[in-house]
Amino acid sequence: GAVVSQHPSWVICKSGTSVKIECRSLDFQATTMFWYRQFPKQSLMLMATSNEGSKATYEQGVEKDKFLINHASLTLSTLTVTSAHPEDSSFYICSAGRQALTYEQYFGPGTRLTVT
Amino acid sequence: SQQGEEDPQALSIQEGENATMNCSYKTSINNLQWYRQNSGRGLVHLILIRSNEREKHSGRLRVTLDTSKKSSSLLITASRAADTASYFCATDSGGNNRLAFGKGNQVVVIP
Repeated sequence: GAVVSQHPSWVICKSGTSVKIECRSLDFQATTMFWYRQFPKQSLMLMATSNEGSKATYEQGVEKDKFLINHASLTLSTLTVTSAHPEDSSFYICSAGRQALTYEQYFGPGTRLTVT
Repeated sequence: SQQGEEDPQALSIQEGENATMNCSYKTSINNLQWYRQNSGRGLVHLILIRSNEREKHSGRLRVTLDTSKKSSSLLITASRAADTASYFCATDSGGNNRLAFGKGNQVVVIP
């Protein structure tokens, strides 16, 4: 159990367009989901915490109008990169915490975004 | 904020040898977790150690935590080629499960 999926696994888009990435917990309910970005050969940077039914909490320096997060249900959170630019190219990873277990997070396989 | 910081060294070892990597952090924590990431993939949770624990084992993994020194180590015994990956520590400090990841250690196990 505790599987998290992401879709798409990779996407190429043109500069100025918007891209939506989905994160789903497949076999458990996730009241909280987290979004990270990772540049090549670097660590994960937490972007925001997504709580079901409420507004996301963004980390300092992350533009909430650029990275729109919606956590509409206990199994789905979406990240929309609006007006994407080449510098937004990165590996985006989500994770989900199980409702019954407060500590362990389960990570999705990541989405590779390339903006041309 | 990036709090967990591994020693910035890549490891290249022969299959069967042990691999040790370290992690240091700056503030008090609720727990510390180690993850593995294969190239271009998501993270796999390896082990979690709580702030009141000093050592934990899981299969070939051994984790220690020294809260007085704000450091942790991960030992992989009898390494295998499949252990080739990047290993990250992550600290949970605020009680809301937000994780701060370290820089990661790349481990290469040569068959």
